[in-house]
Amino acid sequence: KAGVTQTPRYLIKTRGQQVTLSCSPISGHRSVSWYQQTPGQGLQFLFEYFSETQRNKGNFPGRFSGRQFSNSRSEMNVSTLELGDSALYLCASSLDGKEYNEQFFGPGTRLTVL
Amino acid sequence: QQPVQSPQAVILREGEDAVINCSSSKALYSVHWYRQKHGEAPVFLMILLKGGEQKGHEKISASFNEKKQQSSLYLTASQLSYSGTYFCGPPPGGFKTIFGAGTRLFVKA
Repeated sequence: KAGVTQTPRYLIKTRGQQVTLSCSPISGHRSVSWYQQTPGQGLQFLFEYFSETQRNKGNFPGRFSGRQFSNSRSEMNVSTLELGDSALYLCASSLDGKEYNEQFFGPGTRLTVL
Repeated sequence: QQPVQSPQAVILREGEDAVINCSSSKALYSVHWYRQKHGEAPVFLMILLKGGEQKGHEKISASFNEKKQQSSLYLTASQLSYSGTYFCGPPPGGFKTIFGAGTRLFVKA
């Protein structure tokens, strides 16, 4: 079974630009979660999508948004990029996001904002 | 409220044992443990559920005390491959997911 894939793997943007990151979950998984990881803040939850609906949201500004398609693939968008948005963005998929099902992470997208 | 992990870091010699603890001020109905090696994505280790049910993929044991809202991960006869940062946290979906800050484990030969 193929794992979670994320594209692109690396991205360099400048302040004020916007960026779209993509995540393809494991086949059959319907829950996709997004996380931001930085050395200072650790692993922080952004949002979770299930069946094309945002089901849960972390404490991030509205510049961070996402969506999920009918094939469970998900995209995350960050508008008006700030220097502090530089981070590793991880997505993870789960069968249904329920507490008894494991979550599998993708390799991440390393975003650098200059 | 972020789960609190202890210790923050630990250095072991190959073959030694270690315990990593995770406690939360919020009610935990389950705990998920992950390990992340430098430059890689977190990898699922264990799920601990209310009632004692466990689900894991590696030869690592763990406990979950629902009343105390604590979980512990037991690494026995550590191997070099155990090195990495260990995170605990609730699963996604249904409620806010906050991970612990992580415990850095280094196993040396």
